[in-house]
Amino acid sequence: DSGVTQTPKHLITATGQRVTLRCSPRSGDLSVYWYQQSLDQGLQFLIQYYNGEERAKGNILERFSAQQFPDLHSELNLSSLELGDSALYFCASSVGGIQETQYFGPGTRLLVL
Amino acid sequence: AQSVAQPEDQVNVAEGNPLTVKCTYSVSGNPYLFWYVQYPNRGLQFLLKYITGDNLVKGSYGFEAEFNKSQTSFHLKKPSALVSDSALYFCAVRDPSSGTASKLTFGTGTRLQVTL
Repeated sequence: DSGVTQTPKHLITATGQRVTLRCSPRSGDLSVYWYQQSLDQGLQFLIQYYNGEERAKGNILERFSAQQFPDLHSELNLSSLELGDSALYFCASSVGGIQETQYFGPGTRLLVL
Repeated sequence: AQSVAQPEDQVNVAEGNPLTVKCTYSVSGNPYLFWYVQYPNRGLQFLLKYITGDNLVKGSYGFEAEFNKSQTSFHLKKPSALVSDSALYFCAVRDPSSGTASKLTFGTGTRLQVTL
């Protein structure tokens, strides 16, 4: 167990809908990262937050947004969902330094029908 | 831009034999390198990392990796494979020059199959 929790574990929804994925980092970790894992794109970095502020952006679609709250948990919002958004979404956390290890949560499996 | 290549989609090895999972990287400066393992329906588990220092890094579950700067490689090794090592292995790189934006760039993954 990495200490990173993600809810829900599974999510089934329809095209055009909006969902929110939640992540609680390990105790003491200030940085949260979101990654998407799909069969065709592999593991891709989406976005990073550090202590409530956006730090880096990757291949995140405009339909997707995220935030990190004062208690350091993070939410990833996915809107106007398309079939191609079906994937495993991982959250990771680290203390925040560049040498620090990122520890991954169990993921949320999203299926868009 | 940083990148990682895992040239083998799958590696097959018999239990008790040594295993190697290959990884090569491309980054502008000195890289930070990581190995993660993913079991079915599980998240990624950290195995080991290279930041600086000794080129041979030891990690969890008896795994080790050798950093080779001239060959830009970071191959994962284990002297004696177990059936329970069967999983998907990911190599990842972080570019130290990216400052506090410390995203990981992952390879495509290598499936390790260990048989009796």
